[in-house]
Amino acid sequence: DSGVTQTPKHLITATGQRVTLRCSPRSGDLSVYWYQQSLDQGLQFLIQYYNGEERAKGNILERFSAQQFPDLHSELNLSSLELGDSALYFCASTAYSTDTQYFGPGTRLTVL
Amino acid sequence: GIQVEQSPPDLILQEGANSTLRCNFSDSVNNLQWFHQNPWGQLINLFYIPSGTKQNGRLSATTVATERYSLLYISSSQTTDSGVYFCAVGGGADGLTFGKGTHLIIQP
Repeated sequence: DSGVTQTPKHLITATGQRVTLRCSPRSGDLSVYWYQQSLDQGLQFLIQYYNGEERAKGNILERFSAQQFPDLHSELNLSSLELGDSALYFCASTAYSTDTQYFGPGTRLTVL
Repeated sequence: GIQVEQSPPDLILQEGANSTLRCNFSDSVNNLQWFHQNPWGQLINLFYIPSGTKQNGRLSATTVATERYSLLYISSSQTTDSGVYFCAVGGGADGLTFGKGTHLIIQP
């Protein structure tokens, strides 16, 4: 158990819908990263937050957004969902940007 | 951006065999991690190793940062070692860049 929690574990929804994925980092970690793993693109970095502020952006679509709350949990919002958004979404946390990233168990999103 | 290449892409071994997985990266990094993704999809940290050598039981890793490669050694393989092994590199706050992974199958 990495100490990073993600909910829900599985999510099935329809095209055009909007969903929210939730992540709680390890106790004491200020940085939260979101990643997407799909068969086409592999594991890709989406976005990073540090202590409530956006720190870095990767290959995140405009339909996707994230935020980190004062209690340091983070949410990833995916809207206008398409079939190609079906993937495993991971959250990771770390104390420092150049330190070990610990990954949560992931949320498996299926868009029908 | 930085490129990460892993080899071999697939590896099938008998239980008890040893293996070496390689990761080449195209630029200097200050973060390199090896992960094992198990059949349930969970990404498990194996090593944080931007340089030097580390060992943890039957696994060890070496990163030669000046030559931009890292090696993961698995000795006396067990069936539970099966899965996908990823190398991921980073240069700070940009998130990790993952290779495509090595798919390892250990047969009893």
